[in-house]
Amino acid sequence: GAGVSQSPSNKVTEKGKDVELRCDPISGHTALYWYRQSLGQGLEFLIYFQGNSAPDKSGLPSDRFSAERTGGSVSTLTIQRTQQEDSAVYLCASSLVGSGYTFGSGTRLTVV
Amino acid sequence: KQEVTQIPAALSVPEGENLVLNCSFTDSAIYNLQWFRQDPGKGLTSLLLIQSSQREQTSGRLNASLDKSSGRSTLYIAASQPGDSATYLCALTDSWGKLQFGAGTQVVVTP
Repeated sequence: GAGVSQSPSNKVTEKGKDVELRCDPISGHTALYWYRQSLGQGLEFLIYFQGNSAPDKSGLPSDRFSAERTGGSVSTLTIQRTQQEDSAVYLCASSLVGSGYTFGSGTRLTVV
Repeated sequence: KQEVTQIPAALSVPEGENLVLNCSFTDSAIYNLQWFRQDPGKGLTSLLLIQSSQREQTSGRLNASLDKSSGRSTLYIAASQPGDSATYLCALTDSWGKLQFGAGTQVVVTP
């Protein structure tokens, strides 16, 4: 597609449930980022994929968070046993090195 | 370790004034620099991308300059409009494609 696509756009889940957030990057983009942004706060780095290299997971806040990128394309961010503090907008961005980053519209996650 | 600073943190101007937003960084070994705009509750929209070999980029009322030797980039927005109200973020990319964001400048343009 022409842009970075994220789904779902909104997700309401009960505390303790698992959720999966999906990111479809721009075709051919080798780099992919996940960020989250809590209400009124700045961007918080979560994880970075670059080509076939091992991902940089240093931003994942706990072992309840994991992410994978299949075939160097689609990425899924999984949050297990969701907590209320996980409520935020989750943003995905992709890039071909040197071309600048394009962000998706985000997934707004609300844990009730 | 790269540090990116944006000054001021917030800015309020009357419509029609020119906006000057600053971004400074500590490590000049950057691959490119990107300016983004974020509206409340929305994602990030890319405004301008400056490659490390370039000195400036222009798009409409927007002009961004890059001075790697002094570790600075400036975003100019001419003849501001209320629709320019948003948070503006600068982000640096290294040769591995890793991003480093500034904290942003929150801009309010009053009619």
